[in-house]
Order: sequence, then structure tokens, then C-alpha cells
Amino acid sequence: QVQLQESGPGLVKPSETLSLTCTVSGVSINSYYWNWIRQPPGKGLEWIGYIYDSGTSNYNPSLRSRVTISIDTSKKQLSLKLTSVTAADTAVYYCARAYSASQFYFDYWGQGTLVSVSS
Amino acid sequence: DIAMTQSPDSLAVSLGERATINCKSSQSVLYSYNNNNYLAWYQQKPGQPPKLLIYWASTRESGVPDRFRGSGSGTDFALTISSLQAEDVAVYYCQQYYSNPWTFGQGTKVEIK
Repeated sequence: QVQLQESGPGLVKPSETLSLTCTVSGVSINSYYWNWIRQPPGKGLEWIGYIYDSGTSNYNPSLRSRVTISIDTSKKQLSLKLTSVTAADTAVYYCARAYSASQFYFDYWGQGTLVSVSS
Repeated sequence: DIAMTQSPDSLAVSLGERATINCKSSQSVLYSYNNNNYLAWYQQKPGQPPKLLIYWASTRESGVPDRFRGSGSGTDFALTISSLQAEDVAVYYCQQYYSNPWTFGQGTKVEIK
């Protein structure tokens, strides 16, 4: 079955860079759009950005200046880097699959990983 | 950005009764060339990731019980749970995928009365 697993540090200091990895199993990483979505504690969902197997990426304008998403198809992994973090970046970070460019709903999600920004 | 507004923020419904959640988009998410509404619904239980329930505003994802029904078009949508079960206690989100950036509603919490 399709599984997505996020991993990375649970604590990041303010002004530093948040780095997470999502490992995909049970499905080809090719031909789908792979996304990062976050959810601050007790709050709603915010789409961060996506990457396609070709390396084409697109980011939410609200975060574009600080976000980089990359992909390693050989390892079936996608990665998220968010620079200059503040407490407002504290959230559960999810990776999720979107089926196609015209069907950008999220049909598979990882369990999420909580990242806290604190000194 | 397309803003998604859900109402109510929370509701309490008796077991077996109907629950209806509304979602309004700040602009139409109906694509006229294919007559599809680019609107999805998710269910999120505590400590779990969101689960896709409905896409294209009214198409149930495989395995989703038929008591979940999506309706609406243009800017006004609804998710109806026809007969609330205990396992339906969750927060429900709508999401538009009509235009980038994809955006979600703020969520509606459904509880048992």
C-alpha cells in the first residue's frame, strides 16, 4: 500500500533552517505531484509547495522566498527546506500526493511530523 | 488567493441525525470548459492526517461510506453526513484546487450531542 513517511528534527532554533524528508513507498514517485502541507497546533491546513518527478516545483507565494523542495527519485524521497524560521513556523508538517496537475486534491498523506521552533 | 470559508465552526449532532457543513469560496471554482467543480473535502481525526473523502465536489473517494455526500456548485458547497456515527467525530475541511495556491477552509468540528 502507499505509504509516506516524514522524518527530520523535531526542534529547530529561530533563524535557522528547517529540513525534512519524506520517503515514499508502495507507489512510483514518478508522474505524481508531491507536496508539503503544514498545520500549526490547533489550526488549519496550509499548502507549502509541490515538486514533480522532473524537478519542477511551485511554492505558495506566502512562503516562496524561504522554501525549497527537492526530489531524489532514485531514493523515492522528497525534501523540504524552510529558512529563517520563527515561532510561527511551528507546525505539523505533512507530505502528501496530488494525483495530477488537473486533480490537485491530496489522496495520500504521511502521518506528519511536529516541528517546534524554539531556542 | 481563493479564500475558503466554512460554517459553522463547530456543530453537535445526535447519533443517527444529519450533519451539514457549508463551504463558500471567494470566487467560483467551477471550470466551465469541463463543468467540474474543483472542490475536495477531508476528514481529520485527532492525531491523524487528513483523509480525502470527496473530490470534484461530489465524487466519493473509494471506501468512503455513502452517508457522506458532497453537493454544490460555483461558490457554495456542502458536505452532508446523512446519519452521524460515533466514528464520524472529526474536523472536516474543504479545499479548492481551481487555482494555485491551493487553499483550505478553516475547518468544522463535528461532535456528538
